[in-house]
Amino acid sequence: KQEVTQIPAALSVPEGENLVLNCSFTDSAIYNLQWFRQDPGKGLTSLLLIQSSQREQTSGRLNASLDKSSGRSTLYIAASQPGDSATYLCAVTSNRDDKIIFGKGTRLHILP
Amino acid sequence: EAQVTQNPRYLITVTGKKLTVTCSQNMNHEYMSWYRQDPGLGLRQIYYSMNVEVTDKGDVPEGYKVSRKEKRNFPLILESPSPNQTSLYFCASSLSFQGSEQYFGPGTRLTVT
Repeated sequence: KQEVTQIPAALSVPEGENLVLNCSFTDSAIYNLQWFRQDPGKGLTSLLLIQSSQREQTSGRLNASLDKSSGRSTLYIAASQPGDSATYLCAVTSNRDDKIIFGKGTRLHILP
Repeated sequence: EAQVTQNPRYLITVTGKKLTVTCSQNMNHEYMSWYRQDPGLGLRQIYYSMNVEVTDKGDVPEGYKVSRKEKRNFPLILESPSPNQTSLYFCASSLSFQGSEQYFGPGTRLTVT
């Protein structure tokens, strides 16, 4: 059964720093991997979608990579800002059973 | 505006009283899905639908029903709610299942007493 893990569960960094969030999954049989942002009490906002055949995707200050064979993805945030404070979630779409499995998220706090 | 809408946003009910949470999308998406989010457990998929009249169980389907009679709507039905179904519920949709990003609704906070 697919399992998705995000480490660390929480992270605090000073404003302006570059940072990396990690996502690992146990089964490489995936269609894609998606990164989301969730603000407290709100819904999820899609950040980046990486297809299984792709290695990385970029959007502004965000860059997501995918190493399917090792079951890892990273979300790189450049020049962090207080507005980046949120919970970041990754999710994989399995091509074995058509289910979507989420990690439990990393709660990010950017210190002004 | 392209969006996924859910109603109601907040609901407090009693054990055993049937309820329906509606979900609608205006993007002509084929794939729709329901999730629940609980502290310490994260987001878990309840049911999903690849297209009209096609639905399937996710990881936690017990106690829930869904239907997909129209492409835009995907209601979540709790026939006999119980306190362990107290949770934050999200509906999501995507253009297709395999290659498209998911768009989420704002969430429905359900409390069953």
